[in-house]
Amino acid sequence: EDKVVQSPLSLVVHEGDTVTLNCSYEVTNFRSLLWYKQEKKAPTFLFMLTSSGIEKKSGRLSSILDKKELSSILNITATQTGDSAIYLCAVGTINSGGSNYKLTFGKGTLLTVNP
Amino acid sequence: DTEVTQTPKHLVMGMTNKKSLKCEQHMGHRAMYWYKQKAKKPPELMFVYSYEKLSINESVPSRFSPECPNSSLLNLHLHALQPEDSALYLCASSQELAANTGELFFGEGSRLTVL
Repeated sequence: EDKVVQSPLSLVVHEGDTVTLNCSYEVTNFRSLLWYKQEKKAPTFLFMLTSSGIEKKSGRLSSILDKKELSSILNITATQTGDSAIYLCAVGTINSGGSNYKLTFGKGTLLTVNP
Repeated sequence: DTEVTQTPKHLVMGMTNKKSLKCEQHMGHRAMYWYKQKAKKPPELMFVYSYEKLSINESVPSRFSPECPNSSLLNLHLHALQPEDSALYLCASSQELAANTGELFFGEGSRLTVL
């Protein structure tokens, strides 16, 4: 069974702090790793990673994949109260026939940024 | 704004009712998904449609019946649900399944309460 584990499960920081969120996985037929941010409703896409060692960056957020360690990190620098959300890691896998792709989600990290 | 539209946003139903959740996307995506998300839990995959055919059914009880009338629409028919089925039901789409390393685009969800 595919497994995606995120840590920590929750984190409370002050505005301006830098945070690192972790995601590790044990899956069959890995294709991609995605990070989503979920506030009150639908998850919104942050990054998709397919290659090891290549950092993806968007403003204060960045992420990198380590296929050897089967893990990824999401960094947020200079945190703001608007960064408060659940951050979900999801791993995309494809079946052996190559016909079915699906995302398996981790439990998420609840980030609270206090002013 | 999400390009995946779900209706209704909220639904309250009794255990004997029959209702439907609807999802629509106009991005030309050929794969569509239903996820179920309970409070403080990650989304769990229910069904995947590829080119309007059911591709994955994650052992979902028959009281949930998906339907894909065309490539833009995805329905979830609900009948004889239980209170424990109360959850946020998320619809998502992606370009294609096979060889897909792409992201899923999520709708805002339909929050279902079963009395």
